[in-house]
Amino acid sequence: EIVLTQSPATLSLSPGERATLSCRASQSVSTYLAWYQQKPGQAPRLLIYDASKTATGIPARFSGSGSGTDFTLTISSLEPEDFAVYYCQQRSSWPPIFGQGTKLEIK
Amino acid sequence: QVQLHQSGPGLVKPLETLSLTCSVSADSISSYYWNWIRQSPGKGLEWIGHVHQSGYINYKPSLESRVNISLDTSKNQFSLNMTSVTAADTAVYFCVRSMRGRNGLFDNWGQGTLVTVSS
Repeated sequence: EIVLTQSPATLSLSPGERATLSCRASQSVSTYLAWYQQKPGQAPRLLIYDASKTATGIPARFSGSGSGTDFTLTISSLEPEDFAVYYCQQRSSWPPIFGQGTKLEIK
Repeated sequence: QVQLHQSGPGLVKPLETLSLTCSVSADSISSYYWNWIRQSPGKGLEWIGHVHQSGYINYKPSLESRVNISLDTSKNQFSLNMTSVTAADTAVYFCVRSMRGRNGLFDNWGQGTLVTVSS
C-alpha cells in the first residue's frame, strides 16, 4: 500500500496569509492526487483533483501542484472559513489511501 | 445536486453485524461507483469498498472477509454489511459517490453515521 505523509501536522496562520500544505507519497502516484477539506462534524469536501484541477464551486484561492511523489496545496489568502483539516488522497493504486491530515488553525 | 442520506443504527454489539443504507436522490445510481468510507481517530479516513451497477464490487483486502456492499437500483440505494464487529470498527461511516469517469475520486459524501461497537 502507498503511504501518504502530510506536513506539517498543524499549521498556525492568520487570515490573509498564504498557506502551503505538503503531501508526500511513498511511491509515484503520477497526478492521481486529490485534496479534501473537512470541518468539525462535517464530511470531507473535494477541493482539488488530478493534482491541480479545482473541483466545482471551489474558490480560486485554492490551488494544487505537483506530480510523482511530492504535492502541494496552496491557499493564497486565508479566509476565516478556511481553517479546517486538509487531507490528501491517492487513487493511482488500489485501495485508495488518505493522508493523516494537516490541521490549519488560526494563529 | 445529488444528495446521499444514510440510515442505520448507531450502536452495534460486539461480534454482531453492522448494517447501513445510503439513499441517493436527484441522480441515477446506475451511472457511478458507490463507496463506503469510514473515519476513526486511530486509523483516519479508510476506504472500505465500492459497488457499481454493472456488478463490479471491490473491497479493501484487510476487510474483505467481513464486508458486503450491495446495490438496489429499484430503490436508488446501496448498503454496507460488516460482520463480527469489534471495538476497532467504531467509526463514523460515510457513503460516498465517485466522480463520473474517475473511480476512486470522491465528490459527494453522505452526512456520516457514528457507529459505536459496544455491549
